[in-house]
Amino acid sequence: KQEVTQIPAALSVPEGENLVLNCSFTDSAIYNLQWFRQDPGKGLTSLLLIQSSQREQTSGRLNASLDKSSGRSTLYIAASQPGDSATYLCAVRPMTGNQFYFGTGTSLTVIP
Amino acid sequence: DVKVTQSSRYLVKRTGEKVFLECVQDMDHENMFWYRQDPGLGLRLIYFSYDVKMKEKGDIPEGYSVSREKKERFSLILESASTNQTSMYLCASSVRATYSPLHFGNGTRLTVT
Repeated sequence: KQEVTQIPAALSVPEGENLVLNCSFTDSAIYNLQWFRQDPGKGLTSLLLIQSSQREQTSGRLNASLDKSSGRSTLYIAASQPGDSATYLCAVRPMTGNQFYFGTGTSLTVIP
Repeated sequence: DVKVTQSSRYLVKRTGEKVFLECVQDMDHENMFWYRQDPGLGLRLIYFSYDVKMKEKGDIPEGYSVSREKKERFSLILESASTNQTSMYLCASSVRATYSPLHFGNGTRLTVT
């Protein structure tokens, strides 16, 4: 069974700092990996989707990379802002079965 | 933009009640999912449906059932609510194609007293 890990569980940074969130998965046989943002008490908002054939995807200040062979993805946030404070989750879609597998998330706080 | 709508943001029910959670998507997606999210446990799949009237059990189906009579609507049913079903419930949908992303609703916070 695919296992997805996100370390650290929580991160606090001053405003303006660049930061990296990590996601690792145990089985490299995936179709894609997706990064989400979740605000307290809300659903998940999709940020970036990387297909298994891609190395990275960018959207604004966000850049996600994927190293499938090593089972790792990173989400890079440039010039962090207090509005970036949220929990960030990654999910992988394996090549077998119909499930998506989620990490437990990294709770990010950006201090003004 | 894909819209996944969950009928209630907050629900409070009593132990033993039958509870219906409704989810509607507007993009003709084949796949629909119900997850629950608990602190420290992350998202766990309850049930998955890949077409009308089709369903598969996820990791934690006990105490739940689902209904998918129309493509756009996926209902989660708690036959007899218990306090350990207090949780955040999240509905999601996607097209069947393996390259497609997952889209979530805003969640329903259910409290069973």
